[in-house]
Amino acid sequence: DTGVSQDPRHKITKRGQNVTFRCDPISEHNRLYWYRQTLGQGPEFLTYFQNEAQLEKSRLLSDRFSAERPKGSFSTLEIQRTEQGDSAMYLCASSFDATAKNIQYFGAGTRLSVL
Amino acid sequence: AQSVTQLGSHVSVSEGALVLLRCNYSSSVPPYLFWYVQYPNQGLQLLLKYTSAATLVKGINGFEAEFKKSETSFHLTKPSAHMSDAAEYFCAVSEGTGGFKTIFGAGTRLFVKA
Repeated sequence: DTGVSQDPRHKITKRGQNVTFRCDPISEHNRLYWYRQTLGQGPEFLTYFQNEAQLEKSRLLSDRFSAERPKGSFSTLEIQRTEQGDSAMYLCASSFDATAKNIQYFGAGTRLSVL
Repeated sequence: AQSVTQLGSHVSVSEGALVLLRCNYSSSVPPYLFWYVQYPNQGLQLLLKYTSAATLVKGINGFEAEFKKSETSFHLTKPSAHMSDAAEYFCAVSEGTGGFKTIFGAGTRLFVKA
């Protein structure tokens, strides 16, 4: 069990550029979640997948954001035409829902800075 | 709709003193409740969870929390603070029926003085 892995750990980009983050969940976890965390706040839910199906998207996830989990394993989160307000920590988590207790295991996050 | 309120954005205690971090929740269904800890530049680590079994829940690193339905509270305690406990702590709630979405509080930063 290697835990949830996120890449890159840090990303600095200029406003208007596109960025893509990757998340590798704990193997055999069928649920994968993306959260956004801004300074001084708790994580805010963005979207989640059960296997390859994206089952819910938060209103926080504007049209510039897209997430995929093509084979039900790793996931990518893309932000197009980044804005300064997108600067945040993007956290990925995974869980195994057989027990329905929804215990989520988090990665270390990707910190995005938009200049 | 579910929500979580953490009372106090900052808490400061002396090493060896009692730690008490307060959390109140709102949920229309039986909740699952969690406490997570976050160290600088790291992800969140699960401290403990309440999932409708015993109301007093013991977690890692000597932390425990008590679920009080009548008070809609889930406060986190530790009898004796260590310097290594200094971190950000988040209370979270998700639906008790296997809900997929977890709602987090704004967090409480714990400072431990020598």
